[in-house]
Order: sequence, then C-alpha cells, then structure tokens
Amino acid sequence: GAVVSQHPSWVICKSGTSVKIECRSLDFQATTMFWYRQFPKQSLMLMATSNEGSKATYEQGVEKDKFLINHASLTLSTLTVTSAHPEDSSFYICSAQPGTGFNSPLHFGNGTRLTVT
Amino acid sequence: QKEVEQNSGPLSVPEGAIASLNCTYSDRVSQSFFWYRQYSGKSPELIMSIYSNGDKEDGRFTAQLNKASQYVSLLIRDSQPSDSATYLCAVRNNNDMRFGAGTRLTVKP
Repeated sequence: GAVVSQHPSWVICKSGTSVKIECRSLDFQATTMFWYRQFPKQSLMLMATSNEGSKATYEQGVEKDKFLINHASLTLSTLTVTSAHPEDSSFYICSAQPGTGFNSPLHFGNGTRLTVT
Repeated sequence: QKEVEQNSGPLSVPEGAIASLNCTYSDRVSQSFFWYRQYSGKSPELIMSIYSNGDKEDGRFTAQLNKASQYVSLLIRDSQPSDSATYLCAVRNNNDMRFGAGTRLTVKP
C-alpha cells in the first residue's frame, strides 16, 4: 500500500515554456502533499506544501508565481513550472502520507527529471 | 545550526561488515524519525521508522533512538554492494518533516 505515482518521469522542454507535473496517491487519500527539488549530489529541498482545497504553503525563497501548485482533489496535486529556464533543470519529487498521525511516514513518487534547454 | 545533521560521507565499508549511519537533530520535541534510502537518480524509499527510545530491528537493519541526546542511528548488518546508496534521516514534529542532507554509503565487494 501507500503508493505515490508521479508523471512524467522525465521531460525536456524549451526555455520559456511551462511544464506540469502530476502527483497522485493511488491507494490512499492525502489532504497534504509535499513537493521537493533536488539538484545533483545535493539534498532534498522542500519547495512547498500542497493543501487540498486551499492555497499551497511555499518555503522561503520559492517563487509561488513560478511554481504553481494545485491540489484539486484528495488524490491529486500538480506542480506547474511556468516560464521554465535552464536553472530550473532539476529532479522534482512529490510525496504524501497516508494518515495524519505523527507516525505516518512520507511516501515518495518516482520523481520527474526536468531538463530545460 | 542545521535542523537535521548527517555526516555526508562517503562512508565506505567492506561487504559483510556493519555500516553505521548517524543523525542528530535540533528540535527536542520531535516525535518520529525515519530512515530513507536513495539510489542515484531515484527518489527516496522508506527503510525504517522509530518513535521511542531504544532499538528497533527489521531484517539486517536496526534503528536506534536516543531522544535525550537527540540522536538517531541506522545500523546495516552484513552490508551488501546493493546497499550502496545515500541514506537520509528524516525527523518529524507534527506535520513538519525535515530531512538531513544524507550520508553516502559505499559497500565494496
């Protein structure tokens, strides 16, 4: 159980275009999902917390107008990288937890490798 | 001071040895602790969770927690080359989960 599906697994886009990444919890409902970014050989960096039915909470330094998050249902959150630039090339990973208890771990999607040319 | 600290490594151990991975955290009221394994180019996968002081064993893995010292560790017995990965320590307080930078482990055949 506790499967998180992320799509696409990789994407190449041209500078200035927008890219949408989907994150789905397949066998549980998630009122909260988390979006991370990871540059090569660096640690996970939390970008934002996605809340179903309300606005996402962004970490300091993350531009909310550039990284649009929509959490329209209890099983789907999307991250749209708008007007992508080469410096946005990174590994984007979503996660969710089945339940709200403190002992409920995060389960990660397989990640999306974004390359902006 | 970082919230969750890990030695970045690389930690290198021979096959069959015990690998010991350490993590310290700054938030004294943290409630739960997790170890994730991340292979290069892949997303993290959960290995173990621990919530109370002491040891918790699962196969070749043992997690140890000492809340007084704000310290959590992961032991891997009989290390295998397939254990070579980056190991992430995660610490939670309520809905806030924070990750360490990870320790890169290499198990040499």
